[in-house]
Amino acid sequence: QSVLTQPPSVSGAPGQRVTISCTGSSSNIGAGYDVHWYQQLPGTAPKPLIYGNSNRPSGVPDRFSGSKSGTSASLAISGLQAEDEADYYCQSYDSSLSGYVFGTGTKVTVL
Amino acid sequence: EVQLLESGGGLVQPGGSLRLSCAASGFTFRSYAMSWVRQAPGKGLEWVSAISGSGGSTYYADSVKGRFSISRDNSKNTLYLQMSSLRAEDTAVYYCAKARGSGSYVQYYFDFWGQGTLVTVSS
Repeated sequence: QSVLTQPPSVSGAPGQRVTISCTGSSSNIGAGYDVHWYQQLPGTAPKPLIYGNSNRPSGVPDRFSGSKSGTSASLAISGLQAEDEADYYCQSYDSSLSGYVFGTGTKVTVL
Repeated sequence: EVQLLESGGGLVQPGGSLRLSCAASGFTFRSYAMSWVRQAPGKGLEWVSAISGSGGSTYYADSVKGRFSISRDNSKNTLYLQMSSLRAEDTAVYYCAKARGSGSYVQYYFDFWGQGTLVTVSS
């Protein structure tokens, strides 16, 4: 199982703000490795949403924001829209495993 | 436009072998590290393997170490994953992904992904 833990699901009404946590340890997030976030729409490949903890790739709306503190990171989605219904994954590097690691994934539902 | 096109997936018996390919275009292939990431049916993402731009450095998840081998042919802009001693738990969609980041490879993320190829290990 993954060393980065996310809540299985979060939900919110259109226009609301939701946050997704990504909890790691001293061998990954807490060691200073960057956290990145991906959005996976149903039946499609993941696409990057946030890189380097808080940076948005070109084309990603500023409704999406990322932060990191200690051994955890968070993704916030403000002004929730129906098109945001997807699975979201965090990713970092783990020095104990000597490899990249993904979070357990969070399904976002727009009520 | 960056494009990554995987091929080679299919049905294979336990203990069998398979080679996946990923044809890349739209960027200077030799300048970027590449990776394979898989996703079992209905499950989350799992990083499998990575290779440096030159091909001189390779990295593997513990779950595939000793069974899978990553390689690249920069003259053909193609990434490969040779899989052997396949198990039922290797059943997944395998994505090819381009790595990007500043500084050390430990800070890399995956900025472009292919559409994936399904590998099914079953008798």
